[in-house]
Amino acid sequence: SQTIHQWPATLVQPVGSPLSLECTVEGTSNPNLYWYRQAAGRGLQLLFYSVGIGQISSEVPQNLSASRPQDRQFILSSKKLLLSDSGFYLCAWSEGANTEAFFGQGTRLTVV
Amino acid sequence: QKEVEQDPGPLSVPEGAIVSLNCTYSNSAFQYFMWYRQYSRKGPELLMYTYSSGNKEDGRFTAQVDKSSKYISLFIRDSQPSDSATYLCAMSNDYKLSFGAGTTVTVRA
Repeated sequence: SQTIHQWPATLVQPVGSPLSLECTVEGTSNPNLYWYRQAAGRGLQLLFYSVGIGQISSEVPQNLSASRPQDRQFILSSKKLLLSDSGFYLCAWSEGANTEAFFGQGTRLTVV
Repeated sequence: QKEVEQDPGPLSVPEGAIVSLNCTYSNSAFQYFMWYRQYSRKGPELLMYTYSSGNKEDGRFTAQVDKSSKYISLFIRDSQPSDSATYLCAMSNDYKLSFGAGTTVTVRA
């Protein structure tokens, strides 16, 4: 069966520091991969999605970037964090277009 | 206007009641419809999914889609305290999933 791993679960970082969040999927090949951010009491905002290695689509201009160095690995990065980057970050995968997505357990990022 | 509108609630019901959750959408290109349950500080968990208009049942859960009205619903029968969570509707157009803001539900014992 497929599983998705996302770490760390919690992170506190100072303003201006770099960020690297990692997500890996097991038990499937060539998944679509997604990064979402969820602000308190709000819905999920799609940040990036990838349909293959090295293929990244950005949904909103921001202080973040994403990379997919391997088929089942998706990384969310920032060179310099802002206070507004605080939030709950979720990685997800799906098998193709117009199919259900499965989520990791999320990373709660607090920028101080 | 948001692509997906969902009343954030909160919604509080007694144990055993029917919970009714709704979303409307504006993009007629959406083809796949999902409901997720999210407990506090956890990732969303897929509850139900469907392609077509009509009803789909799974145990105590019924998902309903009306594409002509751009309206989807989730009904939870015989609600339990363990159903207390935030429920998110989602819909897809090709590779992108768009989510509602989520409705927070509390089932009182």
